[in-house]
Amino acid sequence: ETGVTQTPRHLVMGMTNKKSLKCEQHLGHNAMYWYKQSAKKPLELMFVYNFKEQTENNSVPSRFSPECPNSSHLFLHLHTLQPEDSALYLCASSQDRTENNSPLHFGNGTRLTVT
Amino acid sequence: AQSVTQPDIHITVSEGASLELRCNYSYGATPYLFWYVQSPGQGLQLLLKYFSGDTLVQGIKGFEAEFKRSQSSFNLRKPSVHWSDAAEYFCAGTDSWGKLQFGAGTQVVVTP
Repeated sequence: ETGVTQTPRHLVMGMTNKKSLKCEQHLGHNAMYWYKQSAKKPLELMFVYNFKEQTENNSVPSRFSPECPNSSHLFLHLHTLQPEDSALYLCASSQDRTENNSPLHFGNGTRLTVT
Repeated sequence: AQSVTQPDIHITVSEGASLELRCNYSYGATPYLFWYVQSPGQGLQLLLKYFSGDTLVQGIKGFEAEFKRSQSSFNLRKPSVHWSDAAEYFCAGTDSWGKLQFGAGTQVVVTP
């Protein structure tokens, strides 16, 4: 059983909807990440939080809005998405973002379909 | 530019045969290297990691990888594959200062 839990596993939403993805880690880690995984494309890092502070935003459109209320929880709020945003969204955690030898632990992802 | 490259997009292997997946890196200093596996419908699971020391690293599920500085490679191997090894495999790397970079992945198909 993974130490990183993502809900929901699947989500279908229209372009005008607002929804949120949730991630929770039970590993005592201090860094959390959102990745986007699209077919035929490399894994794309979206956001990084370290000790609840956002440290990286890789030019992600504002229709994606992350929130990290504490080191164990991470949300991705979605609004007015486009069909090309359909992808698998993966949450990950690590001990500390500044420790590059600390491996990532991934959740099972949320499969998002935008109609 | 610092990067990780997986030359093989797709590999087919017979059950019981050996498997080797290639990964090349371009980092000036000693890199931190990782192999992850992703089964269908799942997230990425860490197989093994290399930071320093012994260049032959043992991982979970019977996998091992060898760091070869002279070839800038970190290839993943398994002596005898099982049908459950069918998955996508990702090499990832970074150094002390940069961001973790993932390769494009290698899809492994296991035939009976």
